[in-house]
Amino acid sequence: EIVLTQSPATLSLSPGERATLSCRASQSVSSFLAWYQQKPGQAPRLLIYDASYRATGIPARFSGSGSGTDFTLTISSLEPEDFAIYYCQQRSKWPIFTFGPGTKVDIK
Amino acid sequence: QVQLVQSGAEVKKPGSSVKVSCKASGDIFRSYGISWVRQAPGQGLEWMGGVIPVFRIVNYAQEFQGRVTITTDESTSTAYMELYRLTSEDTAIYYCARDTGYCNSDTCSPGWFDPWGQGTLVTVSS
Repeated sequence: EIVLTQSPATLSLSPGERATLSCRASQSVSSFLAWYQQKPGQAPRLLIYDASYRATGIPARFSGSGSGTDFTLTISSLEPEDFAIYYCQQRSKWPIFTFGPGTKVDIK
Repeated sequence: QVQLVQSGAEVKKPGSSVKVSCKASGDIFRSYGISWVRQAPGQGLEWMGGVIPVFRIVNYAQEFQGRVTITTDESTSTAYMELYRLTSEDTAIYYCARDTGYCNSDTCSPGWFDPWGQGTLVTVSS
């Protein structure tokens, strides 16, 4: 089973700052990785798929990169609505999926 | 635009079972799969399993094998997740989500989860 780890667990930043979130897979998942955003009391929302493609309606300040075992989600300049929890997900053996434990981005 | 609407909150006794429904706004089961994901209070997301109706394929996460059944009723565009032998550790919000991978009569292209249902809170308590 492929295990995803995310770091840091919590990222404390101010609006306007750059956020860099990491997701690491226990074995290669090629580019079969997605990122989701979840705000309190809401269902998750797809942000990035296939490691680097923004989902429909996602602002350009969100970008994804990486392949193999190391992936990064970057938020170029944090907006107030970006403070949330971010999860990575892999599907290298589709239709089997696993999620990472999440990174919380909170206001410093 | 596809929308997924789930059934309401449930309170169950330990040892019992729960069945959660997820109704799609369109006829998506001819071409898309549905997965179920749960989230315990204050915890992360956990994939439970998924179904690809056009190929009658169902997959379950290892930790739920033998304790969960995922089905669909294509006539009503509704997916169901039934979890058995409930314990307090099953207290969670249960989400359905469409797999964006498109399926035709021969094959499927793998996808991701979009959109999601609003979630159903299942509380297991004696």
